[in-house]
Amino acid sequence: DIVLTQSPLSSPVTLGQPASISCRSSHSLVHSDGNTYLSWLHQRPGQPPRLLIYQISNRFSGVPDRFSGSGAGTDFTLKISGVEAEDVGTYYCTQGTRFPWTFGQGTKVEIK
Amino acid sequence: QVQLVESGGGVVQPGGSLRLSCAASGFGFSGHGMHWARQRPGTGLEWVAYISWGGHNREYAVSVGGRFTISRDDATNTVFLQMNSLTIDDTAVYYCVKEFSSGWTLDFWGQGNQVTVSS
Repeated sequence: DIVLTQSPLSSPVTLGQPASISCRSSHSLVHSDGNTYLSWLHQRPGQPPRLLIYQISNRFSGVPDRFSGSGAGTDFTLKISGVEAEDVGTYYCTQGTRFPWTFGQGTKVEIK
Repeated sequence: QVQLVESGGGVVQPGGSLRLSCAASGFGFSGHGMHWARQRPGTGLEWVAYISWGGHNREYAVSVGGRFTISRDDATNTVFLQMNSLTIDDTAVYYCVKEFSSGWTLDFWGQGNQVTVSS
C-alpha cells in the first residue's frame, strides 16, 4: 500500500499568518496516464471532509485562492497564504493513483 | 446541487450484518464512480470500497475484503455497502463519496452514517 506521511501533525497558527503542510508518499504518485492524483481535503469538527485541491495544484470549485498546492512525484505541499478563522480543522492529503486509496494521518490546524 | 444521503447505520452485535444505502442527487450518477470511506472514533480517514460507473469494477480495502460488498442501482441513483461479519474495529462513521469527473479523486462527501458494533 502507498503510505502518505504528513508533517507537522499539529500546527498552531496566528490569524493572518501563513501555514504549510507537507505530505510525503512512500511511492511515486504518477499514474500510468501521466497524471498525479494527489489531493487535499479539509475537515472541520463534526463535518465531513471537503475537497480543496486536486491533482497536486488545482483548486476545487469555490475554494479561496489563499489555498495552493505544489509538488511532484513523492513530495507535496499545501500552503495557506494567510490563515482565517474558518480554516481551523484537520487537513488530509490523499492519493487516488493506486488502489487501495490512502490518506495521510491528518494535520490539525488551530489558532494560537 | 450534489447531495449524498446515507442511511442504514445503527448498532449491531459482533458477527452481525448491516446494509448502508446512499441516495445521490444533483449530478449524473450513472457516469461517476462511487466510494465508501470511514472514520473510526477520534481517528483519521480510511478508504473502504469503490465501484466504477457501470458497476463493472470494484475494489476493497484489505481490512474489509471478503466481508463487505459495494453495489449500485443506477435506476434509483443509489449506492450500497453490504457489511457482513462485523467486528468492533468496524465501528466508525461511514461516508458515501462521489468521484470527481476528472477521475481518481474524491470530490463530494455525504454527511456520514454511524455504525456501532457492540455486544
